[in-house]
Amino acid sequence: TQLLEQSPQFLSIQEGENLTVYCNSSSVFSSLQWYRQEPGEGPVLLVTVVTGGEVKKLKRLTFQFGDARKDSSLHITAAQPGDTGLYLCADHNFGNEKLTFGTGTRLTIIP
Amino acid sequence: NAGVTQTPKFQVLKTGQSMTLQCAQDMNHNSMYWYRQDPGMGLRLIYYSASEGTTDKGEVPNGYNVSRLNKREFSLRLESAAPSQTSVYFCASSEGGGKFWETQYFGPGTRLLVL
Repeated sequence: TQLLEQSPQFLSIQEGENLTVYCNSSSVFSSLQWYRQEPGEGPVLLVTVVTGGEVKKLKRLTFQFGDARKDSSLHITAAQPGDTGLYLCADHNFGNEKLTFGTGTRLTIIP
Repeated sequence: NAGVTQTPKFQVLKTGQSMTLQCAQDMNHNSMYWYRQDPGMGLRLIYYSASEGTTDKGEVPNGYNVSRLNKREFSLRLESAAPSQTSVYFCASSEGGGKFWETQYFGPGTRLLVL
């Protein structure tokens, strides 16, 4: 069974600071998705990365997929209170309907 | 478009009671899913339905049953609730076909407390 570990589990930083959160897998990802879940809501897809070494940017968010496709990172520049939420990584197995989710990083940005 | 809707939003049950969680989507999606979310454990798949008329077990199916009523609706039933089923339940849908870029769209969740 694939295990997706995310670190840190909790992170609380001041507005304007930079941060990085990580997702590591016990096996090679087929493709990796990052979701953000705001309090009281369901997760919302941020990005899908597929190729080893791939980097994608979404405004102040930078997503990187490891060369060996067993790890990924999410870097946020100049964090804002609106970035507060639970960040989840998920492996989307090609040809399979199912997603395997990581344990999540709960991020709090202090104004 | 409402997207994915879930009812009820909150529910308190006593041990042994039964209930059905309802989910509907208006995006004409083929695939639908039920997850539970517990602190520190991310989202775990309970059951999913790849198309109307089919259902399959996920990672944690014990104690649950599902019905894909039609293409729009996918319900989750707890026949005899246990305190271990206290959780937040999310329904999701996707176009289907297992494409690796596929997006799952989630409902707002049902918060269930079993006493």
